[in-house]
Amino acid sequence: GALVYQYPRRTICKSGTSMRMECQAVGFQATSVAWYRQSPQKTFELIALSTVNSAIKYEQNFTQEKFPISHPNLSFSSMTVLNAYLEDRGLYLCGAGPEYEQYFGPGTRLTVL
Amino acid sequence: GDQVKQSPSALSLQEGTNSALRCNFSIATTTVQWFLQNPRGSLMNLFYLVPGTKENGRLKSTFNSKESYSTLHIRDAQLEDSGTYFCAALSGGSNAKLTFGKGTKLSVKS
Repeated sequence: GALVYQYPRRTICKSGTSMRMECQAVGFQATSVAWYRQSPQKTFELIALSTVNSAIKYEQNFTQEKFPISHPNLSFSSMTVLNAYLEDRGLYLCGAGPEYEQYFGPGTRLTVL
Repeated sequence: GDQVKQSPSALSLQEGTNSALRCNFSIATTTVQWFLQNPRGSLMNLFYLVPGTKENGRLKSTFNSKESYSTLHIRDAQLEDSGTYFCAALSGGSNAKLTFGKGTKLSVKS
């Protein structure tokens, strides 16, 4: 079956520091990888969508300078939250798929102190 | 307003009863996905739908693209069905992205 793993599951960082999170797809080719943030109020925001052989497309309010993403092959992606502040806290979810259906990992929960 | 409107926002069911959740779309939607998020945050895929109906065990989902809505029917609700259900609409185009609803929090009680 299609599985998506995310590391770490939880992380705490000090305000102003950075942290990197990873997403691993197993059982399918992750042609597209989307990174989302789920706020404490449970709403989902799309940060960016990466499709193999295309430029990574960031949504409004999210930039490559703040959330650099790497998608080097069809099974792996990583995203870094640079200079994290309180408003960056939440559950970061990676959705990956061979085409348009997306399978999600369990998320990386970021706490900023 | 919300591009994907989910209703109800919360629901309490007695074990063994049936219910339906709904999503209305105000964006052009090519496919719909339904997920169940457990208390730890993991999103479980329930359905991936083109226009039409799919069934899996006690769950059945329909996507009506002409009237821009999707429903998720739960039959014979069980305690383990508790969690938050999300629908997500896929908009077409070369940069297809999922737009999520705000979820329906379901509690099944014995």
